[in-house]
Amino acid sequence: DTGVSQDPRHKITKRGQNVTFRCDPISEHNRLYWYRQTLGQGPEFLTYFQNEAQLEKSRLLSDRFSAERPKGSFSTLEIQRTEQGDSAMYLCASTLVNTGELFFGEGSRLTVL
Amino acid sequence: EDQVTQSPEALRLQEGESSSLNCSYTVSGLRGLFWYRQDPGKGPEFLFTLYSAGEEKEKERLKATLTKKESFLHITAPKPEDSATYLCAVFQGAQKLVFGQGTRLTINP
Repeated sequence: DTGVSQDPRHKITKRGQNVTFRCDPISEHNRLYWYRQTLGQGPEFLTYFQNEAQLEKSRLLSDRFSAERPKGSFSTLEIQRTEQGDSAMYLCASTLVNTGELFFGEGSRLTVL
Repeated sequence: EDQVTQSPEALRLQEGESSSLNCSYTVSGLRGLFWYRQDPGKGPEFLFTLYSAGEEKEKERLKATLTKKESFLHITAPKPEDSATYLCAVFQGAQKLVFGQGTRLTINP
């Protein structure tokens, strides 16, 4: 399968712990996005990369959040010192440059106890 | 600031009962309006892109239309498998999608 892959699919953690999510985009796509979605809401933009460069970060992304895309391939999203308000679905998407036709992964659901 | 508002939040129809979902947007310089479908526990799946007022796109029982201020997703003779959340989004600054909150559609057999 050549779709967007996210890991883990589900993560349960205690408040204050660090978590990391991984996204493997479609191989020829050079743009990679991270979105966050809570129940009953649409996806909220967090950050995006073009190749290995992180070009924009949302104001929603506090300093506890960090994302990387080494070598322009897979990406990781790390949340440090998790809070209960971080509980959400974290979605990764990839695409070619300058198109809004995003290909989403199935998401990583985070539950912070 | 670019905004996308969808209505209704939820819609329940009988199988075969046609209806429309609304997406109102405010954006400086539309560079595309997008419709996605999202099934529970899954990521959104792309349906349509519309670029200019008057444009229409169709796929099976779905037809998307666009005016200068809003878009409609028309569902004709829906089936239970059309049940999903439908998301509307605008392409902000040709950089990222800004989504509405979605319309949760349920089709009863």
